[in-house]
Amino acid sequence: DIVLTQSPTTLSVTPGETVSLSCRASHYIGTNLHWFQQRTNDSPRLLIKYASQSISGIPSRFSASGSGTDFTLHINKVDFDDVSSYFCQQAQTWPLTFGSGTKLEIK
Amino acid sequence: QVNLLQSGAALVKPGASVNLSCTASGYIFTAYYIHWMKQSHGESLEWIGYINPNSDYTNYNAKFRSKATLTVDKSTNTAYMELARLTSEDSATYYCTRESYYDPFAYWGQGTLVTVSS
Repeated sequence: DIVLTQSPTTLSVTPGETVSLSCRASHYIGTNLHWFQQRTNDSPRLLIKYASQSISGIPSRFSASGSGTDFTLHINKVDFDDVSSYFCQQAQTWPLTFGSGTKLEIK
Repeated sequence: QVNLLQSGAALVKPGASVNLSCTASGYIFTAYYIHWMKQSHGESLEWIGYINPNSDYTNYNAKFRSKATLTVDKSTNTAYMELARLTSEDSATYYCTRESYYDPFAYWGQGTLVTVSS
């Protein structure tokens, strides 16, 4: 199975900061990687598809980059609404797998 | 609008089975695969498998092959997941989600909490 390693585990930032969340794959996955946001007691929400493609209705503050094994989610000007866990998911091979997540906290 | 409505929370005894449902609306049910995910409390997500509602073809994560059975009822636009021989390790929230190439996993059910306890 492909293992996705996310870092950091927890990120505590002040409003207005720009942050970068990392997701590394144990094997090559091209751009078959999606990013999700999950607020407490809510279902996951698709933020970015295929490593860097934006999703309709998602604020432009969210962007992402990467290919192969290294991927990054960028959140520009973090605000209180962004308090969530963020997961990456690979769709290159079966079984689909998720990273362990990064929890974003606001100071 | 696309909606996936899941069945309510379930409290089940160890060793029993439970059947979860996911009723789709707002799109052609047979045109999109339905995937099921498991999320244990406070943890990440695990992919259980998917079903093609048009053909009934299924693909399972090997870890869940003896645990989960995926089916659909096209007459009611409903996908089902039966979980068998439940243990405390199966206590979790289970989600259904729709897959397509252009909006992969953009639509999710609200989740069903399964608690296994005597």
